[in-house]
Amino acid sequence: AQKVTQAQTEISVVEKEDVTLDCVYETRDTTYYLFWYKQPPSGELVFLIRRNSFDEQNEISGRYSWNFQKSTSSFNFTITASQVVDSAVYFCALKDSNYQLIWGAGTKLIIKP
Amino acid sequence: NAGVTQTPKFQVLKTGQSMTLQCAQDMNHEYMSWYRQDPGMGLRLIHYSVGAGITDQGEVPNGYNVSRSTTEDFPLRLLSAAPSQTSVYFCASRQRDSYEQYFGPGTRLTVT
Repeated sequence: AQKVTQAQTEISVVEKEDVTLDCVYETRDTTYYLFWYKQPPSGELVFLIRRNSFDEQNEISGRYSWNFQKSTSSFNFTITASQVVDSAVYFCALKDSNYQLIWGAGTKLIIKP
Repeated sequence: NAGVTQTPKFQVLKTGQSMTLQCAQDMNHEYMSWYRQDPGMGLRLIHYSVGAGITDQGEVPNGYNVSRSTTEDFPLRLLSAAPSQTSVYFCASRQRDSYEQYFGPGTRLTVT
């Protein structure tokens, strides 16, 4: 069965600290895609990144970086030098064989000034 | 280019009432989906459509109907609202060969 687990329900850090959000997935597919979305307090869902199962290279985009490890079925998301504007709920998701997204429960990130 | 639009933004219903949540996209996307978001549970797929005239059930379809008469519109109907349907509803669309979904702003529904 396809499943995405985000074990951290809520994380609170002080501004400028680095923070890592964990995502562990389960799938029997050999080809799959993983995603991260951000949901700020305003409620909209913002696409952050997509990674396919054949590309294990880490990705960096500004203060954001993603560590994909097939050996541990993890796709973790790190924010470096966090800012108050990073406060949001972050979702990890897995594309299943029907091309629909299986979502984790989300991690609420609170960045304190 | 408005992207994905949803109306209404907020709605309060009494148990047993019916209503339709509207969703429209102007990007000519073939795939459209409806999700509900409940606290601590992430998003769950209600129904989806891979093109006009084609719909299918997702993970939690009971109590909801959909239709897709045009590429642009994908309304979600609640037949007889129940308190368990209190949730935030998101509509999403994407192109056939893309995995990036575009989400609408959401509809917050409360059933009393």
